[in-house]
Amino acid sequence: DVKVTQSSRYLVKRTGEKVFLECVQDMDHENMFWYRQDPGLGLRLIYFSYDVKMKEKGDIPEGYSVSREKKERFSLILESASTNQTSMYLCASSSEGWDQPQHFGDGTRLSIL
Amino acid sequence: QKEVEQDPGPLSVPEGAIVSLNCTYSNSAFQYFMWYRQYSRKGPELLMYTYSSGNKEDGRFTAQVDKSSKYISLFIRDSQPSDSATYLCGAGEAGKSTFGDGTTLTVKP
Repeated sequence: DVKVTQSSRYLVKRTGEKVFLECVQDMDHENMFWYRQDPGLGLRLIYFSYDVKMKEKGDIPEGYSVSREKKERFSLILESASTNQTSMYLCASSSEGWDQPQHFGDGTRLSIL
Repeated sequence: QKEVEQDPGPLSVPEGAIVSLNCTYSNSAFQYFMWYRQYSRKGPELLMYTYSSGNKEDGRFTAQVDKSSKYISLFIRDSQPSDSATYLCGAGEAGKSTFGDGTTLTVKP
């Protein structure tokens, strides 16, 4: 079974802090994704990566950056956290190819105070 | 307008009922279609994934795609209390998936 592990289930940070969310997958998948999930807005794609050191903007990249130094690890960075970034953050991975199913982690519920 | 619209629910049914969950989409370029199940405080879990129009069955679950009318459905037979969750439909093209907002289903014993 595919295992996507997000380092924290719950996180509380303060406005202006730099926040790191970590994601690791154990299936040697080429593609990795970061989403946020909000009531009434569904899942929205922030960034994705199809290879090490490669990244592409999703639908809502503003205020976020990502890092993929190793194939199995994909980090989401909030450069200066704001209260409107309080959300559930979900990481996903999929194998090589543009049409493979994504497998999700259990999410990090981030609160910015 | 969202590219994938999902019946909002919530939906409550008695145990053993047949459940129908429905979505429509607007982007004719979508080439693959999916259903995920999400339990409270967990991530989405892949249920069904298909590339073509027609039916795909897996146990009590049947996914139906009609590309001509841009309609995606999930049917659950003999529903169980353990099926109580939020169900997300999705569609994708060129590596990018778009999801509906989810329908919350409660199956009462």
